[in-house]
Amino acid sequence: GAVVSQHPSRVICKSGTSVKIECRSLDFQATTMFWYRQFPKQSLMLMATSNEGSKATYEQGVEKDKFLINHASLTLSTLTVTSAHPEDSSFYICSARVRGYSPLHFGNGTRLTVT
Amino acid sequence: DQQVKQNSPSLSVQEGRISILNCDYTNSMFDYFLWYKKYPAEGPTFLISISSIKDKNEDGRFTVFLNKSAKHLSLHIVPSQPGDSAVYFCAASARGSQGNLIFGKGTKLSVKP
Repeated sequence: GAVVSQHPSRVICKSGTSVKIECRSLDFQATTMFWYRQFPKQSLMLMATSNEGSKATYEQGVEKDKFLINHASLTLSTLTVTSAHPEDSSFYICSARVRGYSPLHFGNGTRLTVT
Repeated sequence: DQQVKQNSPSLSVQEGRISILNCDYTNSMFDYFLWYKKYPAEGPTFLISISSIKDKNEDGRFTVFLNKSAKHLSLHIVPSQPGDSAVYFCAASARGSQGNLIFGKGTKLSVKP
């Protein structure tokens, strides 16, 4: 079945540094990938929609200059958290769908801790 | 304002019995509903879905019921197994939204042996 791989699974960084998270579709091409964030005991919140070859679409309240998204190929999207702060500590999850209206497949997520 | 609500944060069920997880939504434009299962430190795994043109979809031990007039859906698991213990998220999307999913807060299901 469709598999979405996300790396790293866990990262700890110091405040002010940048962190890059990769999301790969392993056995299918994904023109669109979605980035979600989950805070403890909260639902998954859509941050942005990543479109291959074009700019990402950000949800209201998500700073595009802080959360840089690059979707350079049909199998890779990256999320870079720039100048990370402790409040950015969260669980970041990417997802993609094989085609059209099929269910989203999720990566295993990245636990980011900013100290 | 939450468009997808799962009002029960947790549910405990005995092995072999039925688990019923509930979900309510407010957006009448939603036409596709999904249930995901999530273990700690992992991404959600797709479980079952239902289109708004149906009122029931069944897959093995899992059945999803949709009541459009009440804007309510439920997931039935029968018989429940200890391996079903996880957090279950209800999600919905509207046609034309590029398939973005709106998630509920999840219900933690514990199935006791």
